[in-house]
Amino acid sequence: DIQMTQSPFSLSASVGDRVTITCRASQSIRGYLNWYQQKPGEAPKLLVFAATSLQSGVPSRFSGSGSGTDFTLTISSLQPEDFATYYCQHSYRIPYTFGQGTKLESK
Amino acid sequence: EVQLVESGGGLIQPGGSLRLSCVASGFTFSNYWMHWVRQVPGKGLVWVSRIKGDGSDIMYADSVKGRFTISRDNAKNTVYLQMNSLRGEDTALYYCSRDEDRNGYSSFDSWGQGTLVTVSS
Repeated sequence: DIQMTQSPFSLSASVGDRVTITCRASQSIRGYLNWYQQKPGEAPKLLVFAATSLQSGVPSRFSGSGSGTDFTLTISSLQPEDFATYYCQHSYRIPYTFGQGTKLESK
Repeated sequence: EVQLVESGGGLIQPGGSLRLSCVASGFTFSNYWMHWVRQVPGKGLVWVSRIKGDGSDIMYADSVKGRFTISRDNAKNTVYLQMNSLRGEDTALYYCSRDEDRNGYSSFDSWGQGTLVTVSS
């Protein structure tokens, strides 16, 4: 199975900050990488698919980059509603494993 | 509007069985692969199983293979997860999700609210 490793495990930031979360795959997954946001008590929400494509309705302050084994999710200017846990997931082959999550908290 | 609604969770003893259902609406159900994903409260997301739109292609995580069975009834817009020989480590919130394939890139673009399965004596 392909392992997905996110860093950091948790992150403290302030409104207006630029935030970057990293995801590394244990082998090349080309561009088969998705990012999700999950808030407490809610289902995950798709933010970015195919490594760089923004899901419809997602604010443009979110962006994804990377290919191969190294990927990043960037929030250009953090908003209050962005405090949540973020997961990467590969869709290269089954099983579509997720990273362990990055909890973004208010500083 | 795409909607997925899970049901069937509950408290079950180890070794017992449970069938989860996920009713879909707002899209042509038979055109989509569907997945089950689980999450232990406070922990991360774990992929469980998937089924092709016509039911012809099915895959499972190793941790549930031989115990869980995914199926679907396209006439009822419903995907199921039959869970047998349940263990404590199967305790989790179970989500169904829709697989949106865009030029070969799969992503889970819609999720239900989840149904909680608790395996305990």
